[in-house]
Amino acid sequence: EAQVTQNPRYLITVTGKKLTVTCSQNMNHEYMSWYRQDPGLGLRQIYYSMNVEVTDKGDVPEGYKVSRKEKRNFPLILESPSPNQTSLYFCASSSTPDRYEQYFGPGTRLTVT
Amino acid sequence: GQSLEQPSEVTAVEGAIVQINCTYQTSGFYGLSWYQQHDGGAPTFLSYNALDGLEETGRFSSFLSRSDSYGYLLLQELQMKDSASYFCAVRDIDSNYQLIWGAGTKLIIKP
Repeated sequence: EAQVTQNPRYLITVTGKKLTVTCSQNMNHEYMSWYRQDPGLGLRQIYYSMNVEVTDKGDVPEGYKVSRKEKRNFPLILESPSPNQTSLYFCASSSTPDRYEQYFGPGTRLTVT
Repeated sequence: GQSLEQPSEVTAVEGAIVQINCTYQTSGFYGLSWYQQHDGGAPTFLSYNALDGLEETGRFSSFLSRSDSYGYLLLQELQMKDSASYFCAVRDIDSNYQLIWGAGTKLIIKP
């Protein structure tokens, strides 16, 4: 089944404890992206990747890191999480950067206390 | 910068027709997309307008007018399962294919 997977789905952590949210797609997509979703603000892009080893900042990259060492994986790293990073996170992919249809993972609900 | 505006909430009756508007300020974009998101779920792609005019997909239609900086999603024969949030998005022509999103419209359907 073609899909985007994320792990974990739910995470409660404390301020400053490094964490990684994994994202993997099995569709051989070139383009991958991370979003955070907060009430009333819609989806805001954190980072995106046009292909392996190519990553760019989105609208809200501060406090996050990403890497794209393999085509299928695009992990999101929070080196020192803070409470303002409490949010719902989505990973998405599309076949090419100019494709208008993105496929989303199920989401990761992160709480930082 | 780019911005998209949508109503925060729309209420309609089961079986009726509802239109969700999206207005935007942008210097250039490739097209207008629409996504649906149920509570607790992930956004799913509904439709895309690259050119002006109406695109129809079953009960859902989407319209774009570049001259008016305006688009809308039209949902016909509303069903309770259509209760969800709907987001418009544009792919920015100036920033490396980045998708810019509206804040979303929550559609409430009453029996």
